[in-house]
Amino acid sequence: AQKVTQAQTEISVVEKEDVTLDCVYETRDTTYYLFWYKQPPSGELVFLIRRNSFDEQNEISGRYSWNFQKSTSSFNFTITASQVVDSAVYFCALGIYGGATNKLIFGTGTLLAVQP
Amino acid sequence: KAGVTQTPRYLIKTRGQQVTLSCSPISGHRSVSWYQQTPGQGLQFLFEYFSETQRNKGNFPGRFSGRQFSNSRSEMNVSTLELGDSALYLCASSLGQGEIYNSPLHFGNGTRLTVT
Repeated sequence: AQKVTQAQTEISVVEKEDVTLDCVYETRDTTYYLFWYKQPPSGELVFLIRRNSFDEQNEISGRYSWNFQKSTSSFNFTITASQVVDSAVYFCALGIYGGATNKLIFGTGTLLAVQP
Repeated sequence: KAGVTQTPRYLIKTRGQQVTLSCSPISGHRSVSWYQQTPGQGLQFLFEYFSETQRNKGNFPGRFSGRQFSNSRSEMNVSTLELGDSALYLCASSLGQGEIYNSPLHFGNGTRLTVT
């Protein structure tokens, strides 16, 4: 079975603090993709990053960084020097591409509130 | 390049009625997926279409159906609406083929359906 767990339901930080959002996944597939999406109040899911199961390199993009560890089945997301505009719900997702499908399994999301 | 467009943004229907939601993918994208988002169940995969064919279907009753047209635009239909169908319905598109098969899903703003 495939599953994504985001144990943190809500996180509240003060602007300029660093914050890490946790994501743990389960799958028996050897080939899979992991994603992070951001959902602001407008409702649209905004794509942030995709990693495939063969690439464990960590990635940094501006204030965002991602730590992918297959040994612990985790794909954590860190925002450095958080800003009020970072307030949103963040979803981690597992992409399964067995055969001809393009399906994402989402975690329950983490609501991040950045206070000024 | 225009993003994924979903219409209408809001809908209010009565139990027992049916509803049709529309999605126009990003130009050049041939895969369209639909997701249901509710506070209780989170984001759940409904179905995916590619070249007018349904490639995969989630665990939803037969009241939920969809189709894709030759221009890749897609519609989903829910018949005999129930109160529990109240949700944000998100459409996503991707290239969906070849070595770029696993291109990220790009989501629209969603249609918020309220069933009374």
